Parts: sequence; structure tokens; C-alpha cells
Amino acid sequence: AQSVSQHNHHVILSEAASLELGCNYSYGGTVNLFWYVQYPGQHLQLLLKYFSGDPLVKGIKGFEAEFIKSKFSFNLRKPSVQWSDTAEYFCAVNVRDTDKLIFGTGTRLQVFP
Amino acid sequence: SAVISQKPSRDICQRGTSLTIQCQVDSQVTMMFWYRQQPGQSLTLIATANQGSEATYESGFVIDKFPISRPNLTFSTLTVSNMSPEDSSIYLCSVGKKGQVRGNTEAFFGQGTRLTVV
Repeated sequence: AQSVSQHNHHVILSEAASLELGCNYSYGGTVNLFWYVQYPGQHLQLLLKYFSGDPLVKGIKGFEAEFIKSKFSFNLRKPSVQWSDTAEYFCAVNVRDTDKLIFGTGTRLQVFP
Repeated sequence: SAVISQKPSRDICQRGTSLTIQCQVDSQVTMMFWYRQQPGQSLTLIATANQGSEATYESGFVIDKFPISRPNLTFSTLTVSNMSPEDSSIYLCSVGKKGQVRGNTEAFFGQGTRLTVV
């Protein structure tokens, strides 16, 4: 069965620090990859997605992610975080043509001013 | 994109009772999904609800406990039956919209229903 692993459960950073959140998946076939963010008290929002093409994907609010097929990874990065980035971040995988998403356990990010 | 409305946004229910959650989408969609997000945990897919066919349940979820209706392409309901405190969770409706490239589906989520069973 497919699974998604997020290595960092809780990350605490100061403003302007760089961020990298790990995401690995287990599936040998073709996948679509997503990062979702959930701000406190709000619903899930799509940060960025990878379907095909350039493995370096840029999303909203300065986030980017790199798909490394050989490592089954899709790590999320941001060069300089802000207090407003405090949220829960979820990596998700969609096995192509199955339509449903498999989510990782999530990473709670806290950014202090 | 898709705008999804869920009702109720939250509820506190007595154990042994049932709650039906409604999900309304602003456009016609083929695929609708119901997820559960237990406190401090990630999202777990309960079932896939496609119009015109019975819902497909994931391992660990059964129709008797979580009956689903999908009467048309813009609406679905999830019922949490015979509730116990372990059912306290956020329940989320999601829709999938296919992109221009076959196989590329993007998911959109409602704000969820926060259920507390006492």
C-alpha cells in the first residue's frame, strides 16, 4: 500500500530562518505530489503541486518543493520564514488515475518573531 | 477551483446518536471524498463517493458506521452512526477536479465539521 512519511513532526524556527520539511513516499509507479497547509482554525489550502515536468516546483507565499524521483522525496523549502507561516503542513500523494490522496502525518511549524 | 460548504461546522453529540454532515459544492464534480482528521493527527480517507454508484470505503471503515449519500453531482452527506467518544474528530469533505492532463487530479477541501461526542 502507498504511504507518505513526514520526518519532522514539530519544527520551531525564528523569523528569517530557512525551512526544509521532509516528505517521502512509498510507491513505485507514477504519482502526483502535493503540499497542503492548514493555518490555525482554517481549512486545508494547496501550497503547491507536482504533476510532471520541472522537478522544482514553486508555490504560493515563497514556498518551493523539489521532486527527487530516485529518493522518492518531495521536500518543502522556504528560504526565509515569517511568523505568518505558523501552521500545519501536510504532504500528500496521489497515485495517478486513482484520484484519492494519501496524506502524511503532518508537520507543525511554529515561527517566533 | 471549487468552493465547498460543509454543515454543521461543529457539533457536540451524545454517544449512541447519529449525525449527518452535509457537503455542498459550487460546481458539478464527479469525485467526492470524505476524510477524518483525529486530534493531532493527519487526514485519513474514509470513503470515495461517486454519483450513481455506492461509496467505496477504505480499510477500517464500513458502510453501517459511515453511510454516505451522493444524490447528485454537487452534494453529498456523511452520517456518523451510533457515535462514541472515539468518533470525536474533524470530518472533511473533499472534491477532486481533473486537470487538463489525464490523471492529474487536484483536491479541494471544505472547512470541516468538528465533532465532539460526549
